[in-house]
Amino acid sequence: IVMTQSPDSLAVSLGERATINCKSSQSIVYSYNNKKGLAWYQQKPGQPPTLLIYWASTRESGVPDRFSGSESGTDFTLTINNLQAEDVAVYYCQQYYTTPYTFGQGTKLEI
Amino acid sequence: QVQLVESGGGLVKPGGSLRLSCAASGFTFSDFYMSWIRHIPGKGLEWLSFISGSGATTHYVDSVRGRFSISRDNSKNLLYLQMDGLRVEDTAVYYCARPRVSGGGNFRHWGQGTLVVVSS
Repeated sequence: IVMTQSPDSLAVSLGERATINCKSSQSIVYSYNNKKGLAWYQQKPGQPPTLLIYWASTRESGVPDRFSGSESGTDFTLTINNLQAEDVAVYYCQQYYTTPYTFGQGTKLEI
Repeated sequence: QVQLVESGGGLVKPGGSLRLSCAASGFTFSDFYMSWIRHIPGKGLEWLSFISGSGATTHYVDSVRGRFSISRDNSKNLLYLQMDGLRVEDTAVYYCARPRVSGGGNFRHWGQGTLVVVSS
């Protein structure tokens, strides 16, 4: 399954909203729970990725509620409200519906 | 708390071999599938392989199948990645990762990574 993110990079002002998109090449709906196997990660330089969102819209424990995920069909969106300086990072979507698990190419978020 | 610590990276010539290790602690290791994921500089993340808790089931991405081999020693809480036939394009930071739940495919816990450089 190919995951395609857009844009490749974006610059957003502090306090504003950032929107990152991800599209899967096919359906990633689990039949047993009708949920989509889609996760979002944040990766800062020199650090491993951090899980932000899973099941497309469930926020991981400890993740600020400024981060939210949504979906429609095979289109997925990560929204970061009230952008903070510490949000500068590369963001990846990942499908875990089937192996090989695949990531989007990443979106670089700058202030 | 959950801790994953990779080791074994380094500089190797094309065609060479390396074995990466990942020491796990803070959870019942044998209960969890474990994965190796790499980050290629200037590119993105690539999931490579997983192994079931018992070690009986493994799966690989096509780009490493037949060259890399994942294994585990549950008595020592260790995960391994044997890498043979290394290529320049295998240069990356290699992470071991644990999913949120045992058989899941989203990764809550990551090690700090170990750098593998393949160059002549």
